[in-house]
Amino acid sequence: AQSVTQLGSHVSVSEGALVLLRCNYSSSVPPYLFWYVQYPNQGLQLLLKYTSAATLVKGINGFEAEFKKSETSFHLTKPSAHMSDAAEYFCAVSDLQGAQKLVFGQGTRLTINP
Amino acid sequence: DTAVSQTPKYLVTQMGNDKSIKCEQNLGHDTMYWYKQDSKKFLKIMFSYNNKELIINETVPNRFSPKSPDKAHLNLHINSLELGDSAVYFCASSQESRGGFDTQYFGPGTRLTVL
Repeated sequence: AQSVTQLGSHVSVSEGALVLLRCNYSSSVPPYLFWYVQYPNQGLQLLLKYTSAATLVKGINGFEAEFKKSETSFHLTKPSAHMSDAAEYFCAVSDLQGAQKLVFGQGTRLTINP
Repeated sequence: DTAVSQTPKYLVTQMGNDKSIKCEQNLGHDTMYWYKQDSKKFLKIMFSYNNKELIINETVPNRFSPKSPDKAHLNLHINSLELGDSAVYFCASSQESRGGFDTQYFGPGTRLTVL
């Protein structure tokens, strides 16, 4: 079964600094990978997804993620953090055993310092 | 227009009660899901339906019963509520995948508090 590990339950960066949120997955087959963002008291919104096309995936709000098979990683980055980026971020992997089931990591809370 | 909507947004109830959460999507999707997010923000799938047919049924107590009257609606009924059922419940939908994995679109969530 697939699984996802997000390193760091809480990441804090200064406004304008690089954002790096780490995600490692385990999968016996090439997976589909996703990053979702959850703003306070809201539902999840898709940031970007990897579906075996380009390994560097660009998403909304200036975020991007790179699929590295050798490292089983799908880290999320943004060159310059904005105050509005403060939220909970979830990495997820698809379960390829028939049904479209997303398996989520435990989430990383991103705080932006002024 | 709201793509995936849930009602109610907040639900506070006593232990032992029976309650329902409703979900509707206007995206024309074939597949709908229920996820549970616990107090530590961990998200786990509970059920999924495809064209009113149950596809995924994780290890969920049988006090939880999903019902899909049509492919645009997936309701969640919970009997004999327990303290541990307190969580945020998210509904989601996706187009049926044909050789790919479709994006799941999430509703705003229903925060259930059992007293």
